[in-house]
Amino acid sequence: AQTVTQSQPEMSVQEAETVTLSCTYDTSENNYYLFWYKQPPSRQMILVIRQEAYKQQNATENRFSVNFQKAAKSFSLKISDSQLGDTAMYFCAFMNQGAQKLVFGQGTRLTINP
Amino acid sequence: GAVVSQHPSWVICKSGTSVKIECRSLDFQATTMFWYRQFPKQSLMLMATSNEGSKATYEQGVEKDKFLINHASLTLSTLTVTSAHPEDSSFYICSAQLAGETQYFGPGTRLLVL
Repeated sequence: AQTVTQSQPEMSVQEAETVTLSCTYDTSENNYYLFWYKQPPSRQMILVIRQEAYKQQNATENRFSVNFQKAAKSFSLKISDSQLGDTAMYFCAFMNQGAQKLVFGQGTRLTINP
Repeated sequence: GAVVSQHPSWVICKSGTSVKIECRSLDFQATTMFWYRQFPKQSLMLMATSNEGSKATYEQGVEKDKFLINHASLTLSTLTVTSAHPEDSSFYICSAQLAGETQYFGPGTRLLVL
């Protein structure tokens, strides 16, 4: 069974700093998708970024980028120029191609301080 | 695009009553929808996978007679918590899957059973 591990329960940085959230996963499959979701205090789950495993190029969405290391089974999220609105729980998630289900990590609570 | 709505956003009910929660994909058709439960400060726990026009697939430990799921159209799935009890109080979140890949989440429903 696939597992997703987020080793940092909580992180805190100052506004405008760069922060990296870690995520590792375990799978024997070759084709899959990886996601980062953000859950702010409103509890609405918001898709931050997505990566297809067959793509070598790291996904980027504005201030958010990932470092996808397929061999190491690592999928970290980098937030540049952090903003107060980035304060949220961040969940890393894995999905096998064609499997439908998402496997979530335990989450990292990120606080951006003014 | 890819907006999912959920109604109601929160509900308080008496023990023994049934509560229905609706999940709608507003701007896309979703052949698959998912229902999750989330306890405070924890990750999402998948309850069931709902495919349009067929019976839902429940995760191990989830009582299908307790949590009735109906997915009658490509844009609507409902979760009915039957004979609700205080231990059913939780945050319920639905998601709709776009093109067999990315899941987009509703804003969630807070259920409090007195």
